[in-house]
Amino acid sequence: DTEVTQTPKHLVMGMTNKKSLKCEQHMGHRAMYWYKQKAKKPPELMFVYSYEKLSINESVPSRFSPECPNSSLLNLHLHALQPEDSALYLCASSQGASEYGSYEQYFGPGTRLTVT
Amino acid sequence: DQQVKQNSPSLSVQEGRISILNCDYTNSMFDYFLWYKKYPAEGPTFLISISSIKDKNEDGRFTVFLNKSAKHLSLHIVPSQPGDSAVYFCAASAVDYGGSQGNLIFGKGTKLSVKP
Repeated sequence: DTEVTQTPKHLVMGMTNKKSLKCEQHMGHRAMYWYKQKAKKPPELMFVYSYEKLSINESVPSRFSPECPNSSLLNLHLHALQPEDSALYLCASSQGASEYGSYEQYFGPGTRLTVT
Repeated sequence: DQQVKQNSPSLSVQEGRISILNCDYTNSMFDYFLWYKKYPAEGPTFLISISSIKDKNEDGRFTVFLNKSAKHLSLHIVPSQPGDSAVYFCAASAVDYGGSQGNLIFGKGTKLSVKP
């Protein structure tokens, strides 16, 4: 099973709303990631959790707040977003890295976010 | 500065022929390379990977070649099928011995169209 699930599939929110994106994996992976992807662009890394601890924050604005409640779950809390934050938000997980290289990341289907 | 480059934004191939997708990188610390396939409005799907200790990895119709001295890798798909039509992303990673997450740097992608 290499499935990463994400909910909701689509989300439309106003600039004053608070919402959360959810991600779940049951592969025993210890690293989980949030990416943002705009149309015709590659995925851009936002956050990395390693062993449930935030290890990388790629200078993401504070209106995005990640949370890792346990090793299988990853949330992204959204507050006071801007229209330019509209994008596909992807969650991924992996075993992390070994001396031979990084393990592949498995991506969820993404949440299509529209900020009005 | 783009560390992973896919210089061909699109490629069109006849069904049954070979598709060759190219990727160049600049960071000599990269030691693990992956190819992902992405359909519109879906998350990237892992296809195949290669460690820098190898120069070739094969999985069914997909073969990845790595030329470390040229900092170049390519993905060969043979025979190409209409269902292979998608955007293909090349990604690279450097093992972070101080961490465990194995971060990926993506190229901009190449849109492959396989004509029946």
